[in-house]
Amino acid sequence: GAGVSQSPSNKVTEKGKDVELRCDPISGHTALYWYRQRLGQGLEFLIYFQGNSAPDKSGLPSDRFSAERTGESVSTLTIQRTQQEDSAVYLCASSLGPSGSGVHQETQYFGPGTRLLVL
Amino acid sequence: GQNIDQPTEMTATEGAIVQINCTYQTSGFNGLFWYQQHAGEAPTFLSYNVLDGLEEKGRFSSFLSRSKGYSYLLLKELQMKDSASYLCAALSGGYNKLIFGAGTRLAVHP
Repeated sequence: GAGVSQSPSNKVTEKGKDVELRCDPISGHTALYWYRQRLGQGLEFLIYFQGNSAPDKSGLPSDRFSAERTGESVSTLTIQRTQQEDSAVYLCASSLGPSGSGVHQETQYFGPGTRLLVL
Repeated sequence: GQNIDQPTEMTATEGAIVQINCTYQTSGFNGLFWYQQHAGEAPTFLSYNVLDGLEEKGRFSSFLSRSKGYSYLLLKELQMKDSASYLCAALSGGYNKLIFGAGTRLAVHP
């Protein structure tokens, strides 16, 4: 079946502009996560969705970052007034969540990411 | 605090065995994942340990000791295509977010 998809694959923007990144999780996965990966570094957790609600937003770096999820499927991550330090790969992952069991419940499957470059 | 430590780089020879170690300190530990990430690509799932012991899956095995906060990934019969970054990640907290280490870049040489 289809995996996690993200769009756009690449985005170049000017400092100060807003950007919107999209994630389509695996069908039936209720849990959705956003991570950020700066060049040469590990992944940083940003936000977690269970269904349409976001019980953990603790990783969002500033109030310029927001995310929403509708219909227990698509999620969008919005970065307002982008800064050069926002340049990174933004990765989305989904998992079965509480509706699953064992290893399949917890395993997060990643999309290909959106490479954001802020000039 | 939350901390995941793993070596930055390792090199090995084709056909050999390599062990990548990971130590972790997290709150609300729920399990340990290993992912493989080729340059410019998304991480792909390799293994998940929640109980102490060794999990074997083909050429790859993963070990966990919860009391020591320690895990390792063992790769046997190395192939050139195994050159990649290997990410150790702890499943943490009530919402099961992954806390990642910085990754270990493995270079496999002929």
